[in-house]
Amino acid sequence: GQNIDQPTEMTATEGAIVQINCTYQTSGFNGLFWYQQHAGEAPTFLSYNVLDGLEEKGRFSSFLSRSKGYSYLLLKELQMKDSASYLCAYSGNTPLVFGKGTRLSVIA
Amino acid sequence: KAGVTQTPRYLIKTRGQQVTLSCSPISGHRSVSWYQQTPGQGLQFLFEYFSETQRNKGNFPGRFSGRQFSNSRSEMNVSTLELGDSALYLCASSLSRTGKYNEQFFGPGTRLTVL
Repeated sequence: GQNIDQPTEMTATEGAIVQINCTYQTSGFNGLFWYQQHAGEAPTFLSYNVLDGLEEKGRFSSFLSRSKGYSYLLLKELQMKDSASYLCAYSGNTPLVFGKGTRLSVIA
Repeated sequence: KAGVTQTPRYLIKTRGQQVTLSCSPISGHRSVSWYQQTPGQGLQFLFEYFSETQRNKGNFPGRFSGRQFSNSRSEMNVSTLELGDSALYLCASSLSRTGKYNEQFFGPGTRLTVL
């Protein structure tokens, strides 16, 4: 079964900030990825965390706590084009184990 | 540099048939992974190939198989198709350099519908 969990859906307002959480359990851990996937398209890479702490990249930031098995993706200054699914995945003994994704809807 | 390409993009088959999907990785990438994506289960790992050898395998039945050629292109095959095999099949390639994280670049996917 799935040992990586994230909320199924979230809604946020244009211009606001949203945080998408991800929790995981694994014995072998090499890093935590976040991908964005627009409907009908392939996932595209957003961020990668291997050490604890916050990684910032423009409007997107990702945080990791290895001891807690916890990560979050922070999206600032939301735009309508940010409406998409956000996939959390850890790299362990297989290339990537994905969560089921969080569908984010940005509303005006 | 061209991205990951997958053919065909769409496919309709009937139960019991078999299907072969193709993936061409980014030039220079030696690792190719396959994933199945369905609304209920999300993205699930099928297998990974590196230098023509299967390096990792997910929890899928033996009806799902794959191979990689010397030019790193990969194919996956599904035999005796079942309705539940309807899904988006994604291929991803990476450099797979030792000691570095391997960002995976995804292809557009093949949408398989089994009737």
